[in-house]
Amino acid sequence: GNSVTQMEGPVTLSEEAFLTINCTYTATGYPSLFWYVQYPGEGLQLLLKATKADDKGSNKGFEATYRKETTSFHLEKGSVQVSDSAVYFCAHGGGSQGNLIFGKGTKLSVKP
Amino acid sequence: DAGVTQSPTHLIKTRGQQVTLRCSPKSGHDTVSWYQQALGQGPQFIFQYYEEEERQRGNFPDRFSGHQFPNYSSELNVNALLLGDSALYLCASSLDVNTGELFFGEGSRLTVL
Repeated sequence: GNSVTQMEGPVTLSEEAFLTINCTYTATGYPSLFWYVQYPGEGLQLLLKATKADDKGSNKGFEATYRKETTSFHLEKGSVQVSDSAVYFCAHGGGSQGNLIFGKGTKLSVKP
Repeated sequence: DAGVTQSPTHLIKTRGQQVTLRCSPKSGHDTVSWYQQALGQGPQFIFQYYEEEERQRGNFPDRFSGHQFPNYSSELNVNALLLGDSALYLCASSLDVNTGELFFGEGSRLTVL
């Protein structure tokens, strides 16, 4: 069935470190892929997306590439900041784009 | 421009009771979806409303029902509450039924005792 698997957290990094959060998915067809972020005390918000194979989504220094051959959409950032501390969720559109399937989330803590 | 607003923010109920949660979508959005987020888990899709009709439904029992009003606001109703219904209930709005670009509210935290 449709699912999303992301690396378990929490992930703790020092400021300016490189970040990778792994995400793999199973789906029927080739759905759009998303990363959502939940900052402390705030609602989920879309961070970036990719709609087809080899697309790269990017925003706020974060990037993720839609890899059809490995069914992956890993999130990366070259230099994290304390303000990036949040919970990150990988998601895909499943069989119908309006119905998102989320991973369990990965909590990131960045220390100064 | 107000984003997605939900009420109440927190509530406590006992088993067997019924609860109604409310959501106002972001201005200009006509599609509303509801998600359940258990502690330590990702959100799970409950259903989606568009033009006052349920368009899609996830794997939730009939105890979960909803409604959308002409002004696009929405309600989520849960009957015969179970302990396992304790969760954060998220409302999300969007411009289109087929987009995954959702705008989420901060949620309603339901505790069932």
